[in-house]
Amino acid sequence: AQTVTQSQPEMSVQEAETVTLSCTYDTSESDYYLFWYKQPPSRQMILVIRQEAYKQQNATENRFSVNFQKAAKSFSLKISDSQLGDAAMYFCAYRGGNEKLTFGTGTRLTIIP
Amino acid sequence: DSGVTQTPKHLITATGQRVTLRCSPRSGDLSVYWYQQSLDQGLQFLIQYYNGEERAKGNILERFSAQQFPDLHSELNLSSLELGDSALYFCASSARQGKDTQYFGPGTRLTVL
Repeated sequence: AQTVTQSQPEMSVQEAETVTLSCTYDTSESDYYLFWYKQPPSRQMILVIRQEAYKQQNATENRFSVNFQKAAKSFSLKISDSQLGDAAMYFCAYRGGNEKLTFGTGTRLTIIP
Repeated sequence: DSGVTQTPKHLITATGQRVTLRCSPRSGDLSVYWYQQSLDQGLQFLIQYYNGEERAKGNILERFSAQQFPDLHSELNLSSLELGDSALYFCASSARQGKDTQYFGPGTRLTVL
């Protein structure tokens, strides 16, 4: 079974600075997808970024980018120019052949003004 | 706004009761997924439907059941409710099976007293 591990329960960053959230996963599949979802205090699950495992190029969405290391099974999220609105729980998720999302335990990100 | 709607937003009920949670997927999406988010077990996949048929089952209790109707909306039925069933229940939808990103609804907060 696939597992997703987020080893940082909490992180904080100064506004306008850069922060990196870590995620590792375990799988025997070769074709899969990885996601970062954001859950603000409203509890809505919002897609931040997606990475296909067959793509070597790291995904980027505006201030959000990932560092995907397939051999190391690592998938970290970098947030540049942190803003107050980035404060949320961030979940790393894996999707393989069985289509369900397997989530990590989340990282609570605090932005310090 | 993801385009996925869920009703009701909040539900408070007593142990032993039965409730129905409703989900309408994004326009054109054929797959519906149900997830449970609780403090002790995190985010867990419950069940998936694709175009009216059950596609995959996760950690769904026998007291829980779901269905997807011809108009593609889905309902999650929870019966003989226990205190431990208190959680946030999310519905997500995707266009097809397999490769597509899942977009989440706002969730239904269930409180069992």
